[in-house]
This record gives sequence, structure tokens and C-alpha cells, in this order.
Amino acid sequence: LAKTTQPISMDSYEGQEVNITCSHNNIATNDYITWYQQFPSQGPRFIIQGYKTKVTNEVASLFIPADRKSSTLSLPRVSLSDTAVYYCLVGDDRGSTLGRLYFGRGTQLTVWP
Amino acid sequence: DVKVTQSSRYLVKRTGEKVFLECVQDMDHENMFWYRQDPGLGLRLIYFSYDVKMKEKGDIPEGYSVSREKKERFSLILESASTNQTSMYLCASSLGSASGSYEQYFGPGTRLTVT
Repeated sequence: LAKTTQPISMDSYEGQEVNITCSHNNIATNDYITWYQQFPSQGPRFIIQGYKTKVTNEVASLFIPADRKSSTLSLPRVSLSDTAVYYCLVGDDRGSTLGRLYFGRGTQLTVWP
Repeated sequence: DVKVTQSSRYLVKRTGEKVFLECVQDMDHENMFWYRQDPGLGLRLIYFSYDVKMKEKGDIPEGYSVSREKKERFSLILESASTNQTSMYLCASSLGSASGSYEQYFGPGTRLTVT
């Protein structure tokens, strides 16, 4: 079970780029890296997923170095509405390894005006 | 859009009661999950199911059971509720192994208080 380490909290200001780094030293060959966002009183919401190098969508970018032992979620030009908890997950959530994703405590991002 | 619904947003039960939490998804997903979320502990997996009538224990199954009689519905059962089961309960579903996608879709959660 590949567990992750990420900062407990981060602060930023509106309009800044935010980078949240996650460590996953024992990531396995078949594991993907997935990030979720959670607002208070809501369930988590999928943001982005990747295996290696860089992935970008309309919300965020995910940078994964060659050794895959860490990953960085990048949120461009954050706004107050990006204040949320961000979870980094590592796993191969299918077949025999289904249900083995570990959410952990996440990173509380607070964006200030 | 995928929709995962949970039967109640808030629930108050007494110690010793049998409690049923219902979850329904409308996208024909193979996999369904039950988590609980407590302050400072993140999400912890209670049980999951990869097919009708199939279930697997997660990290904290003690005191819980589940039922999946139909593909779209996954129920969490607290056989005899205790105060340490006061928590936010989150249901999720995902498409399945053939899709290549690991995205889990979550419901809004049920905040259960056991007194």
C-alpha cells in the first residue's frame, strides 16, 4: 500500500500559482497518481490523474519526475473558491488492488484576498 | 453527469439502534465504496464492492456490514450503533477495471450522530 506524505496546510493569495507537493517513495510500477479536492460538507471531487511526466487539464497541472517518487499539483492563479482540502492518492485502483487507495489527511489550502 | 446520492444528509440515532445508510449511483458503475471521515484522520475505507453481492473489507470494517443486492445500490449497515461511530459517511462509485479510469465519484455525505 503506497502511502503519501503531503503538507498539512498551505496559504496563498488570490492570483498566485500554488504548488502542492506529495511524496510517495514506495510507489509501485502500476500505480497512478491522482488528486482530489474537497470542499466543506461535500464529498471529494476528482481533479487530475497521471502516470509520468506532465498532465494538464482545464483546472490544474500535474508534474511527475522520472523517478515518480513525488508529484506536484499546480493550481494556476488561485481564487478564494480554491480554498479546500487537496488529497494526493497513489495506487492502481482496479482488479486485485481495488480499494487500496489511501486518502490520508490531505493538504488544507487557504486562499486569502 | 454521474450522480451519487445518499439517503440522508443528517441522521441522529441512539446507541444500540440498527442504522441503514443507503447509496445509489445512476451510471452503471461496477465499483462502490463506503468511507468515513473524521477530523484529522482523512477518509478511511470501510467496505467496497466490485460487483453485485460481492464485498470486500476496507481498513476499518469492524462494527459495519454492507449489502449490494442491485448494481446501483450499496448499503452500509451499523448493526448496533455506538457513539464512536459518530462521523461523516461518504459513498463513492467508480466505473470499473476495464475503463482504465480510477476516478471515484462521491456522494454528498451523511453526517451521523449517535447519542
